[in-house]
Amino acid sequence: AQSVTQLGSHVSVSEGALVLLRCNYSSSVPPYLFWYVQYPNQGLQLLLKYTSAATLVKGINGFEAEFKKSETSFHLTKPSAHMSDAAEYFCAVSETGGFKTIFGAGTRLFVKA
Amino acid sequence: DAGVTQSPTHLIKTRGQQVTLRCSPKSGHDTVSWYQQALGQGPQFIFQYYEEEERQRGNFPDRFSGHQFPNYSSELNVNALLLGDSALYLCASSLEVLRADTQYFGPGTRLTVL
Repeated sequence: AQSVTQLGSHVSVSEGALVLLRCNYSSSVPPYLFWYVQYPNQGLQLLLKYTSAATLVKGINGFEAEFKKSETSFHLTKPSAHMSDAAEYFCAVSETGGFKTIFGAGTRLFVKA
Repeated sequence: DAGVTQSPTHLIKTRGQQVTLRCSPKSGHDTVSWYQQALGQGPQFIFQYYEEEERQRGNFPDRFSGHQFPNYSSELNVNALLLGDSALYLCASSLEVLRADTQYFGPGTRLTVL
């Protein structure tokens, strides 16, 4: 069965600092992996996705993630945090891409001025 | 190009009642998935509809049912509401032929069960 574990329910960084949100997955087949962002009272917006192409995936708003099969990880990073990055971030896995998608519990990112 | 739309935005029901939530997919999309997001948790997959049939289902009881119409819009029905059904219900649409492509999410319907 697939599963996603996001390490840290809350992460706090200073504006301009590195953002690192951790995600580990479990899947019996090569997975499709996603990062979504959710702002208060809104739906989910896709930041980036991994679908077995390049292991380093670049997304919107300066975010990127690296697929590491040996570590079963797909951590999300951004070199310099901006106040507008404050939101809830969800890592997700799908075996077939577009079918049943399993989400992690989420990590709330706080950005301090 | 209209994105995924959901109605209503908010809904308050009492235990035991029934509720219907509606979703219109992004233009050109033919697949609709429904998710339940309880407060402070990640979305949980309820089911997915394609060609007017339920194609895959998560771990939700039969009280949760759905429908997809010929225009690809979809409804989520929940019978015999429980307090634990209070959540944000998200609809996502995608295009079957691009299976690995992005799911586009709507803003959700906030259901409160009293």
